[in-house]
Amino acid sequence: AQSVTQPDIHITVSEGASLELRCNYSYGATPYLFWYVQSPGQGLQLLLKYFSGDTLVQGIKGFEAEFKRSQSSFNLRKPSVHWSDAAEYFCAVGPPSGYSTLTFGKGTMLLVSP
Amino acid sequence: DGGITQSPKYLFRKEGQNVTLSCEQNLNHDAMYWYRQDPGQGLRLIYYSQIVNDFQKGDIAEGYSVSREKKESFPLTVTSAQKNPTAFYLCASTPSGTGTSEQYFGPGTRLTVT
Repeated sequence: AQSVTQPDIHITVSEGASLELRCNYSYGATPYLFWYVQSPGQGLQLLLKYFSGDTLVQGIKGFEAEFKRSQSSFNLRKPSVHWSDAAEYFCAVGPPSGYSTLTFGKGTMLLVSP
Repeated sequence: DGGITQSPKYLFRKEGQNVTLSCEQNLNHDAMYWYRQDPGQGLRLIYYSQIVNDFQKGDIAEGYSVSREKKESFPLTVTSAQKNPTAFYLCASTPSGTGTSEQYFGPGTRLTVT
């Protein structure tokens, strides 16, 4: 069965510093991969997605993620964090075709210090 | 504006009462989903529907029911059989014809049962 692991429950980063959030997945084939962000009390917003092709994908709000097949990872990065990036981030995987369900990680809460 | 609406934002009920959460979308998406979110647990799938008049149980369907009479609407009923109904509930949908599993989320409903 597929699974998603986000090893860090909380991460604190200084404003202006770089950020990397980790995501490891277990899946039988190369899945579709997603990162979502959730502000407190809000729904989830899609940051970026990987389906195929270039393993470095760009998303909204200056985020990017790199797919590494050998490591079964899809880590999220941002070169310079802003205070408004403080939120919870979820990695998700889904089958490489059609409508189907996604499997979500348990999330990483990002705190940004001044 | 196109999007997914969930109402109400906050809902309070007494134990033993059934309650129905609304989810409407005007995106012409075929597939719709209901998730439950608890602190530290990530998102857990309750039910999903890929087409009108058809739906499937997710991982935690016990104590919940759904209907899909119209493409735009996918209401969720939390029954008195649900042992711990207090949670944040999220509705999502998947674009039609893309052949992908990406999901777009509504703003959520926070249900409190006392």
